[in-house]
Amino acid sequence: ETGVTQSPTHLIKTRGQQVTLRCSSQSGHNTVSWYQQALGQGPQFIFQYYREEENGRGNFPPRFSGLQFPNYSSELNVNALELDDSALYLCASSPTEMNTEAFFGQGTRLTVV
Amino acid sequence: GENVEQHPSTLSVQEGDSAVIKCTYSDSASNYFPWYKQELGKRPQLIIDIRSNVGEKKDQRIAVTLNKTAKHFSLHITETQPEDSAVYFCAGSGNAGNMLTFGGGTRLMVKP
Repeated sequence: ETGVTQSPTHLIKTRGQQVTLRCSSQSGHNTVSWYQQALGQGPQFIFQYYREEENGRGNFPPRFSGLQFPNYSSELNVNALELDDSALYLCASSPTEMNTEAFFGQGTRLTVV
Repeated sequence: GENVEQHPSTLSVQEGDSAVIKCTYSDSASNYFPWYKQELGKRPQLIIDIRSNVGEKKDQRIAVTLNKTAKHFSLHITETQPEDSAVYFCAGSGNAGNMLTFGGGTRLMVKP
């Protein structure tokens, strides 16, 4: 068990709604990254948070936003959900913001109908 | 930005044979290359990683090689076992931080 936990595990939302996904990082890790994994594809980097600040962002629109809290847990918010947002959302925590092993959570399966 | 391509997309081997998965990357600034194994319905798990100052790294039946000049790296699994069956992802990350660009994945099937 890596210690990275995500909630909820599964979620069904309607197009146009908003969703919040949560991630608790592994103890001692100050960096959290979020990835979107569509079915049959590799994870795509959404953004990274380091010590409560966004530290980098992938090619995702502004309706994807996030937060990191003082305990280094994190939230991913998606507004105005689209059908194509249906995917597995993975968070990964790392000891630092530099290139070290990223430990993944089990993911949240989001279905938009 | 970085682009990582992975081949083959599926690979079927007989138990005991070797398996090789290859990846290429585009950004010469990339310096960290992890490999993840993802079983059906489970989280990606790191199996081995390599940094750009090293050409090869081994861990029991698993090895990774890196050719910085050609910008490609490979995963080698020897003496494959049925429990090696999974989807394997390569990834690359540069100096900007631990932001991984993943390849498209290889579905490895090891037949008993």
